[in-house]
Amino acid sequence: EVQLVESGGGLVQPGRSMKLSCAASGFTFNNYDMAWVCQAPKKGLEWVATISYDGSSTYYRDSVKGRFTISRDNAKSTLYLQMDSLRSEDTATYYCARHRRMYTTDWFAYWGQGTLVTVSS
Amino acid sequence: VQMTQSPSYLAASPGESVSISCKASKSISNNLAWYQEKPGKANKLLIHSGSTLQSGTPSRFSGSGSGTDFTLTIRSLESEDFAVYYCQQYNEYPPLTFGSGTKLEIK
Repeated sequence: EVQLVESGGGLVQPGRSMKLSCAASGFTFNNYDMAWVCQAPKKGLEWVATISYDGSSTYYRDSVKGRFTISRDNAKSTLYLQMDSLRSEDTATYYCARHRRMYTTDWFAYWGQGTLVTVSS
Repeated sequence: VQMTQSPSYLAASPGESVSISCKASKSISNNLAWYQEKPGKANKLLIHSGSTLQSGTPSRFSGSGSGTDFTLTIRSLESEDFAVYYCQQYNEYPPLTFGSGTKLEIK
């Protein structure tokens, strides 16, 4: 059974940093492109970033480019999102999601249940 | 590519059929997926490639359309279908983009 379990969320002050993790199990992690998707309170889904199966390629939405870094450790089957210079508008639940397979930045076949990040002083 | 989803809210009774529309700001071929969101559960992929049911998706769900206009139809609604539904395009990225969601509630 595919499982994606996010952790690392919480309350953080504006301008500070936070690192999210996503532990993956039930599939061969290094065969799949992975992503982070967020959802602000009472809002819709918004794609944040995608990383290729081997970490060689990354893609970001404009609003997080230069502030967020997606990375992965295939030996640990873990996906990360380093979030720097956080802003109040980054407040959201962050979901880890798996793309269809490697070389496919398309739909999200599986999702985690999310971790809430609140940016507030 | 901007995705415009409608309606944002829909009320129906079990046994009825409903349709949700998703319109792209430019042609996305059939590169569209539909998801179901329920409280306390991980989001679930229902349909990809515009009309291909993901394994495990009940046959009462169907997707249609190509180009800019797409529709998710649910026939003979069951209690477990009351949820929020999102469309997502993957024809052009970055960014991958979602519709704004449709909340389907019991009438």
